[in-house]
Amino acid sequence: DQQVKQNSPSLSVQEGRISILNCDYTNSMFDYFLWYKKYPAEGPTFLISISSIKDKNEDGRFTVFLNKSAKHLSLHIVPSQPGDSAVYFCLLFSGGYNKLIFGAGTRLAVHP
Amino acid sequence: DADVTQTPRNRITKTGKRIMLECSQTKGHDRMYWYRQDPGLGLRLIYYSFDVKDINKGEISDGYSVSRQAQAKFSLSLESAIPNQTALYFCATSDGNNQPQHFGDGTRLSIL
Repeated sequence: DQQVKQNSPSLSVQEGRISILNCDYTNSMFDYFLWYKKYPAEGPTFLISISSIKDKNEDGRFTVFLNKSAKHLSLHIVPSQPGDSAVYFCLLFSGGYNKLIFGAGTRLAVHP
Repeated sequence: DADVTQTPRNRITKTGKRIMLECSQTKGHDRMYWYRQDPGLGLRLIYYSFDVKDINKGEISDGYSVSRQAQAKFSLSLESAIPNQTALYFCATSDGNNQPQHFGDGTRLSIL
């Protein structure tokens, strides 16, 4: 029973356009949501987060949206750059249950 | 110098051998985590520790054990390695519940 799904294993976007990565979850116990980026041969690096009391958080080119009623999390990157090409993971955390779960990842390719 | 250092970076060993993966951190974080990554499955939590005397099982702890020898060190052991433990292993640290985790660059473990 997958509690979190990143339904798109891969995404290809042209440089300068918007990249939208999605993460859907099934359990409302999660209250903190993070996005990580991973390059080959490196560990994941933190990108941006949002708590369940907000529906949007912005940091430069990166914006995370949270729709609690739909149990849907998304990451928007605009404008996309070739250096954004990486695997992106969502991480869901429940402080009350001390539980955390990673999504399976979406491989983003930004081409010129 | 890396804040979270994993050793070794690569290891090939045989079924039945005992293996220890080491993780050390200079971030001063209390919380440390061990994950494994398998293709298409994202990162899954093996064990985590909130303090030197605190050890907690994660989602997939069977076949593994850990030791938190000091605040800065968290080691993962496979007492008798089996081929389906072949994976990429990551150590991470964090400063608290709703804080991002900081990852090492991973240990690629192959069990023949």
